[in-house]
Amino acid sequence: NAGVTQTPKFQVLKTGQSMTLQCAQDMNHEYMSWYRQDPGMGLRLIHYSVGAGITDQGEVPNGYNVSRSTTEDFPLRLLSAAPSQTSVYFCASSYGTFSESPLHFGNGTRLTVT
Amino acid sequence: RKEVEQDPGPFNVPEGATVAFNCTYSNSASQSFFWYRQDCRKEPKLLMSVYSSGNEDGRFTAQLNRASQYISLLIRDSKLSDSATYLCVVNPVTDSWGKLQFGAGTQVVVTP
Repeated sequence: NAGVTQTPKFQVLKTGQSMTLQCAQDMNHEYMSWYRQDPGMGLRLIHYSVGAGITDQGEVPNGYNVSRSTTEDFPLRLLSAAPSQTSVYFCASSYGTFSESPLHFGNGTRLTVT
Repeated sequence: RKEVEQDPGPFNVPEGATVAFNCTYSNSASQSFFWYRQDCRKEPKLLMSVYSSGNEDGRFTAQLNRASQYISLLIRDSKLSDSATYLCVVNPVTDSWGKLQFGAGTQVVVTP
């Protein structure tokens, strides 16, 4: 049982490049989400999904797109990378309400945009 | 003002000592509360949920004070392995899929 798998672990992009961060979970969780973590700040929600075909914006969605074509996968796309998107990105999933089930996080992707 | 605030620390604690720290939240209607633990350069993991009556899990005790809008975490008999950043997490809404709010974390360093 792999849990939540994120790839890649590290990535360096030049300004203006695009890329997709991959996230997959094998726990049949309905809820999946993307967070970014910056020094001195709490994790901030980028986008989330409560099931296949359903996505919604979080606190900091600008510059990012998501899709949820299957229960297992929730990729995050950076459309045109900017230095402000340098951060650590975590994908997380949960099977029920937050009171019933904790968030399960992937190992994170450390992204640097130059 | 941040919605969830924590003292960043670090709290330097001798092994075997007790350490406690708080987290304040701004939304008085917040529904549920959690402590997550994050080791250096790792992902956060749930440490414990925080219940209205307070709860213990081994050496860890969590309390909720709704009147003053804060939660606390106390660690007794600190171990070297307790060194980590502790994230306060608040669910501010009433529906099931609320948007969790994370504090920036309190760093604890347990020294031999």
